[in-house]
Amino acid sequence: KAGVTQTPRYLIKTRGQQVTLSCSPISGHRSVSWYQQTPGQGLQFLFEYFSETQRNKGNFPGRFSGRQFSNSRSEMNVSTLELGDSALYLCASSFGLAGGPGETQYFGPGTRLLVL
Amino acid sequence: AQSVTQLDSQVPVFEEAPVELRCNYSSSVSVYLFWYVQYPNQGLQLLLKYLSGSTLVKGINGFEAEFNKSQTSFHLRKPSVHISDTAEYFCAVSAATSGTYKYIFGTGTRLKVLA
Repeated sequence: KAGVTQTPRYLIKTRGQQVTLSCSPISGHRSVSWYQQTPGQGLQFLFEYFSETQRNKGNFPGRFSGRQFSNSRSEMNVSTLELGDSALYLCASSFGLAGGPGETQYFGPGTRLLVL
Repeated sequence: AQSVTQLDSQVPVFEEAPVELRCNYSSSVSVYLFWYVQYPNQGLQLLLKYLSGSTLVKGINGFEAEFNKSQTSFHLRKPSVHISDTAEYFCAVSAATSGTYKYIFGTGTRLKVLA
């Protein structure tokens, strides 16, 4: 079974631009969660999508948004990029809702975003 | 609210020595506990998980963890580490909070294995 894939792997943008990151979950998984990882803040939960609906949301500004398609693939968008958005963005998939009894999350390799 | 505390941000240890990475969580009616490992430039992968039953859980790469309900701890151990174990380790808990499932990660512990 193919693992979680994320594209692109690396991205360089300038302040004020917007960016879209893509995540393809493991086949059959219906939940996709997004995390931001930085050296100072560790892993921060962004949001979770399950069956095309946002089920959970972390404490991030509205510039961060996402969506999920009927094939469970998910995209994350960040508008009006700021320097502080430079981070590794990780996506994780699970069969059921993340956090559900015993659900394991399977992570992709991440997209490293650098904002100049 | 649920929380996970990893007490050590960095742990240096010599090769072939034992290691323990500590994890404490806030109490809840029922929790599920996980340890993940992140190697450089990679995503996280599951090392082991505790759902129920035996409190000693064995995982991949020779790691094991013990669930201690009274201490609300889930420490990760390995009797003899290798250079290749150098990575960041994350403890995580999943639990129901106000009818919503939450998956919460600790801040991570960087394990540095020295030759």
